[in-house]
Parts: sequence; structure tokens; C-alpha cells
Amino acid sequence: GNSVTQMEGPVTLSEEAFLTINCTYTATGYPSLFWYVQYPGEGLQLLLKATKADDKGSNKGFEATYRKETTSFHLEKGSVQVSDSAVYFCALSGTQGGSEKLVFGKGMKLTVNP
Amino acid sequence: EPEVTQTPSHQVTQMGQEVILRCVPISNHLYFYWYRQILGQKVEFLVSFYNNEISEKSEIFDDQFSVERPDGSNFTLKIRSTKLEDSAMYFCASSETISAAGELFFGEGSRLTVL
Repeated sequence: GNSVTQMEGPVTLSEEAFLTINCTYTATGYPSLFWYVQYPGEGLQLLLKATKADDKGSNKGFEATYRKETTSFHLEKGSVQVSDSAVYFCALSGTQGGSEKLVFGKGMKLTVNP
Repeated sequence: EPEVTQTPSHQVTQMGQEVILRCVPISNHLYFYWYRQILGQKVEFLVSFYNNEISEKSEIFDDQFSVERPDGSNFTLKIRSTKLEDSAMYFCASSETISAAGELFFGEGSRLTVL
């Protein structure tokens, strides 16, 4: 079945450091790929998405590129801020024929110190 | 900004008791979901709901679980007889379209502790 494996944390970085969170997936067909973020005390919210191979999703300085050849969707940000402290979830959805459910990774807690 | 709200934020219950978790989805959304996350594990899909019926459910969603939309605004998850392993964070979500194409909007979660 479909699955997502992402880097586990927790990870602590200093402000302005470079961030990479690895995510690989296993799926049949052509899934859509997502990064969701959960800030303290809030629900999960969509950070970015990509729906086909070689698409790049971007938002708030974060980027991730859908790599079909390596089945990956790594999240990157060039310079993190304290406000980026959150839990980050990689997810996939939908294959040929579609699916209504998201399949998530375990989530990775990021803490950014000033 | 519209948001999904969940109550209670935390519930402690004894094993064998019934629990109802409540959610108010975003008003113009048509698809509703429950997910859960056991501490330290992945966020898992439980059930999706559309047009007043279950459209997809996981193997976790057994006869002990049920969902309903009693009044056109609330969306509830009932666990009939809780077990220790039901302890988890339960997330409600809603969307305008099915998740393959669109964005899910999640609530803050309801933490269930079964003693």
C-alpha cells in the first residue's frame, strides 16, 4: 500500500540555518504530494503541494520538488526563522482512480532558536 | 478566516466508556474526515464522509466507531466502548473537494486519554 517515510526529529536549529527535511514515498500510480505544518496549539495546515512529477511547490520560503525518479519530496528552506518552529508532516494522496485519504509520515518537530 | 473547530480539546475516560468527539467543519465544505495520531506514530486516516454517508474508511474504523452529521453543522466521531489503544489525538478535517485534488483544513485536535 501507499506509505510515506520522513526524517524523524526532533531537530533544533539556529535562526538563519538551512533546513532540509527528507521525505520519500511508496505509491502505485501518480500521487499528489503535500507538506503540512502544525504550529503550537493549532491544527495541521497545508504548507505546499505538488501534483505531478517535477512540479515544485513553494510557500513562505519553503520549497519541495516532486522527484519521481527518487520517489522523494524533500522540504527545504534557505534560512529558518523562530516562527518556523512547528511539526512538519509529509503526505501523499490519490493515485490512478483517486483516493479521498491522505497518507502521512510521522511528522518532524523543528525548533528554531534565536 | 474560517476554521475547523473541535471539542473537547482533551478528554479523559475510563476503558469501556462511550466517547463523542465533536467537530464543526468549514461551512461551505462538502467532505469531512477523521484522522488520528497515536503518540509517536503516524497520522492515520480513519474515515471520510460525504453526502451524509461514509465514503471511505480504514481498517481501524471498526464497529466500535461511528460518525454522523446530526444537524448539518456538527460532525461527530463516536467510540462506543473505548479501549486503552484508542488513546490518541483525533483530528477532524474538511475540504471543498476530495483530498487528491484539494486542500484539507484541519482542526486543532482532541486528545483522548483512556485509562
